[in-house]
Amino acid sequence: GAGVSQSPRYKVAKRGQDVALRCDPISGHVSLFWYQQALGQGPEFLTYFQNEAQLDKSGLPSDRFFAERPEGSVSTLKIQRTQQEDSAVYLCASSLDGTGNTEAFFGQGTRLTVV
Amino acid sequence: GNSVTQMEGPVTLSEEAFLTINCTYTATGYPSLFWYVQYPGEGLQLLLKATKADDKGSNKGFEATYRKETTSFHLEKGSVQVSDSAVYFCALREYGNKLVFGAGTILRVKS
Repeated sequence: GAGVSQSPRYKVAKRGQDVALRCDPISGHVSLFWYQQALGQGPEFLTYFQNEAQLDKSGLPSDRFFAERPEGSVSTLKIQRTQQEDSAVYLCASSLDGTGNTEAFFGQGTRLTVV
Repeated sequence: GNSVTQMEGPVTLSEEAFLTINCTYTATGYPSLFWYVQYPGEGLQLLLKATKADDKGSNKGFEATYRKETTSFHLEKGSVQVSDSAVYFCALREYGNKLVFGAGTILRVKS
């Protein structure tokens, strides 16, 4: 596709359930980012991949959060034993290279609601 | 750590009014600065950017100037349109490529 695609767009999970959120970056983009956006707030960094290497995971809020990008393209953000405070929009972004000089393109996000 | 502070909204303006959305930042070094816009139902889009002091970013009639002395990157537009109604985010890019965002400012333009 032409842009960053995320699925599902909406996810309702019962507290304690595991969820997996998918990101399809723009084809050929080296860098991939995950952000968490709480209601009424700006996005906050979770983790960063360059190809298949996870170079920064300093923003992951707990060990319940795990991200992977095994073949350097599609990425999955997994949240285990979801809690109500995990309710947020999860944004994925990709950029062409790893220099930081190319634009980051964002997907529309996955809205996760934990009930 | 690095942070971005932007004016709280919502900002409500009439069509053709002048717009300013204030943004200040705290950072070590000299980060690149950005404004992103999120239209209803859409993803974040880059609006404009500036990579060094005194640079002016501009796009779609919007402008912002990187002011090192005041650590600011205020967004301006001379004449807003209803179609500019959106949420605007100021952001900086740290070493390592990640973006640090402000909380966002809702802009509502009335016809």
